[in-house]
Amino acid sequence: GAVVSQHPSWVICKSGTSVKIECRSLDFQATTMFWYRQFPKQSLMLMATSNEGSKATYEQGVEKDKFLINHASLTLSTLTVTSAHPEDSSFYICSASRGGTSYEQYFGPGTRLTVT
Amino acid sequence: EDQVTQSPEALRLQEGESSSLNCSYTVSGLRGLFWYRQDPGKGPEFLFTLYSAGEEKEKERLKATLTKKESFLHITAPKPEDSATYLCAVQAMTTDSWGKLQFGAGTQVVVTP
Repeated sequence: GAVVSQHPSWVICKSGTSVKIECRSLDFQATTMFWYRQFPKQSLMLMATSNEGSKATYEQGVEKDKFLINHASLTLSTLTVTSAHPEDSSFYICSASRGGTSYEQYFGPGTRLTVT
Repeated sequence: EDQVTQSPEALRLQEGESSSLNCSYTVSGLRGLFWYRQDPGKGPEFLFTLYSAGEEKEKERLKATLTKKESFLHITAPKPEDSATYLCAVQAMTTDSWGKLQFGAGTQVVVTP
């Protein structure tokens, strides 16, 4: 159990366009979902935390109008990178947590975004 | 501020050569310490959760231990398929943390035949 999927696994987009990344918990209900980005040879940096039906909580320095997060159901969260620029190119990874007394986060396989 | 420091940054082992990875942490009340394995170009894979000092968990060739200041991940008789980056993360017991994790930079392990 505890499988998380992401779609797409990789995407190339032109500068100025928007791209949406989906994160799904396949075999459990996720009270909370997290979005991270990871640059080469670096560790994961938390971007935002989202709870189903609530507005996302963004980490300091992350532009909420640029990285739109929607957590519409207990199994789906989406991250939309709006007006993407080359510096947004990165590896985006989501994770999901059951919540309650279960504190583990289960990660998706990641999405490689390249902005040209 | 919560901090997680992993050492060494990189570790090269011969197959069968056991070793340990270190994760030192400072956190305002530890809810849990987590170990993950990450292969290149993939998301982290959950390995263990440790909640209190003295706790130990094992999975195949891996064993994780926890003290009040650090955690160790012991790799016994590693095989080439154990090559990966091992990440340590802590979760603080603060009410507004929503369970978010503070990650260390990771230890890149390479096991050669």
